[in-house]
Amino acid sequence: DAGVIQSPRHEVTEMGQEVTLRCKPISGHDYLFWYRQTMMRGLELLIYFNNNVPIDDSGMPEDRFSAKMPNASFSTLKIQPSEPRDSAVYFCASSPGLAGFRTGELFFGEGSRLTVL
Amino acid sequence: GQNIDQPTEMTATEGAIVQINCTYQTSGFNGLFWYQQHAGEAPTFLSYNVLDGLEEKGRFSSFLSRSKGYSYLLLKELQMKDSASYLCAVRDTRTNAGKSTFGDGTTLTVKP
Repeated sequence: DAGVIQSPRHEVTEMGQEVTLRCKPISGHDYLFWYRQTMMRGLELLIYFNNNVPIDDSGMPEDRFSAKMPNASFSTLKIQPSEPRDSAVYFCASSPGLAGFRTGELFFGEGSRLTVL
Repeated sequence: GQNIDQPTEMTATEGAIVQINCTYQTSGFNGLFWYQQHAGEAPTFLSYNVLDGLEEKGRFSSFLSRSKGYSYLLLKELQMKDSASYLCAVRDTRTNAGKSTFGDGTTLTVKP
């Protein structure tokens, strides 16, 4: 299994530019999560999807952030316009949920390190 | 809301045993996870507790007391490669998979 695949691994951009982060979850996983990690705030949940439907986006910082999941194998997190305070590592994670006595643990991608100058 | 507390840093010696504590106050509970995160890498799943008691998995064990809102991760026979951040995460009950809220992590340094 290829695991969760994220791109790009690193992105450096200037304030005001649009940033799009991409994620391919593990095949068969019904849940997809977007987390952001910084030294100051730790690992924060931004939004999660179940069967491609957004369930909880209460962690999305503001209207500059949007996320989509057009199909079971692809999701995007977009920041427009980007600001220096958005600099962080953005992790995508997928989970099979609790069906079949599973624990529902998260499988994380390698992350996208975003730097906004 | 959810409040999860872990010590910020711990240091231990190679070959020793270390216990990392986690206390939580949550509006609902549907399982507690421990993840390991090496510097510059993604978190990886270590253990899961949903019922009270001890779960053992090789050199790692995790304990849960739901009434006390308390868990610990026990690492035995420490190795240098165990130097990492250990994240406690609590899943709430609101949906099937729920969302996991993470503590800030405990950075463990293993010294020779």
